[in-house]
This record gives sequence, C-alpha cells and structure tokens, in this order.
Amino acid sequence: ELKVEQNPLFLSMQEGKNYTIYCNYSTTSDRLYWYRQDPGKSLESLFVLLSNGAVKQEGRLMASLDTKARLSTLHITAAVHDLSATYFCAAASPTSGSRLTFGEGTQLTVNP
Amino acid sequence: DGGITQSPKYLFRKEGQNVTLSCEQNLNHDAMYWYRQDPGQGLRLIYYSQIVNDFQKGDIAEGYSVSREKKESFPLTVTSAQKNPTAFYLCASSITDVNTEAFFGQGTRLTVV
Repeated sequence: ELKVEQNPLFLSMQEGKNYTIYCNYSTTSDRLYWYRQDPGKSLESLFVLLSNGAVKQEGRLMASLDTKARLSTLHITAAVHDLSATYFCAAASPTSGSRLTFGEGTQLTVNP
Repeated sequence: DGGITQSPKYLFRKEGQNVTLSCEQNLNHDAMYWYRQDPGQGLRLIYYSQIVNDFQKGDIAEGYSVSREKKESFPLTVTSAQKNPTAFYLCASSITDVNTEAFFGQGTRLTVV
C-alpha cells in the first residue's frame, strides 16, 4: 500500500528566507505531484515529476524527485507573503492509474 | 471554457438525510474521481469511475454511493450511513485512469447541522 508523508506539517518563515518541504513515499511510484491549496479553495497543480532526477522550477518554487530514495522536495527561494498556503504532495503507483495518494499537507505561513 | 463544475459550493444536511453532490465535466474525460478532505488532512479517495456505467470503491467508500450514467456526470450521494459526513468534497477527472493527470473541481463543503 502506497503511503505518503510530508514534513514539516507546519512551517512559519520570514520573507526572503529559503526552506525545503520534504515528501517521502513508501513504495514504487511513477508520478509525483505537488499542489497548492488556499483556504477554502480547490487544489492548484504546481508540478508533475515523472522520472528520477526530474527537476522543475516555477518562480520561487523548485521541485525535485529522487525515486531511489523515494523522496521529493519542494524548495522555496526568497519566500514572499503570497506563497502562504498549504502545499500537498501526491503520488501514484504503477498499479493505481491516475488515482492519487496524498500527504497530509504542509501549512506554510510567510511573515513580513 | 472546459472544466469541472461542482455544485453546490456549500451544502447543509440534517442528520439522517441523504444528500447528493453534483460533478459535471466538459473535458471529454473518461475517468472521474471523488475525494474527501478533512481539516488539516490530505485528500482520500471515495469512489472512482474509469468509464461510463462503471465505478469502483476507493479507500473510504462506506456511507457513500455514486452513479456514472453519462460520461460528463459523476454525482456522489452521502447517505445517512456515513457517520461523519462534514468535510470538503473534491471531484476530479482525467483523460483516462492510466497515468494521466487529474484536474480538480472547486469543491463542495458539506456540513451536518
């Protein structure tokens, strides 16, 4: 059974600082997703990572995937207040099709 | 515009009542999904449908039912058997259920009063 764990679950950081959110998964996964969720809203797709060593960047966010370590990271560079949200990683196994197993989410607060 | 429409946005249910959440997509996707989100938690899969007239239970199907009579529609009924139905419900769809990205609707917040 595929399980996904994120840490930290809560992250409070100052504007301008860097930080990394970690996502570990328990069994083979061939797709790893990162989503952003604002309070009361749906999920916004940020990144899709499909292969070992994949790295994707958009603005101040960069995601990477290490399938051997079963680890994905979401790195935040020079945080700004607008990045405050909850970030989820989700994984799909080769047998689960497009059905996703989600982590608990990381609630990020960026303080001025 | 193509997309996934969930309605209503907010829904209140009295204990013992069944309620139905609507999910419609005009993306011509074969696969559709229902997820439940509780406060401070990730999403959990309730039911999914790989193709019209077919659906399977997900991880937390007890107390829920679905139908898939049309390709574009996948309504979810929360029955009185669901002990703790208050949650945020998200519908999603994907081109197929094989390794394709899922897209999410805006969600329905259900509250039991």
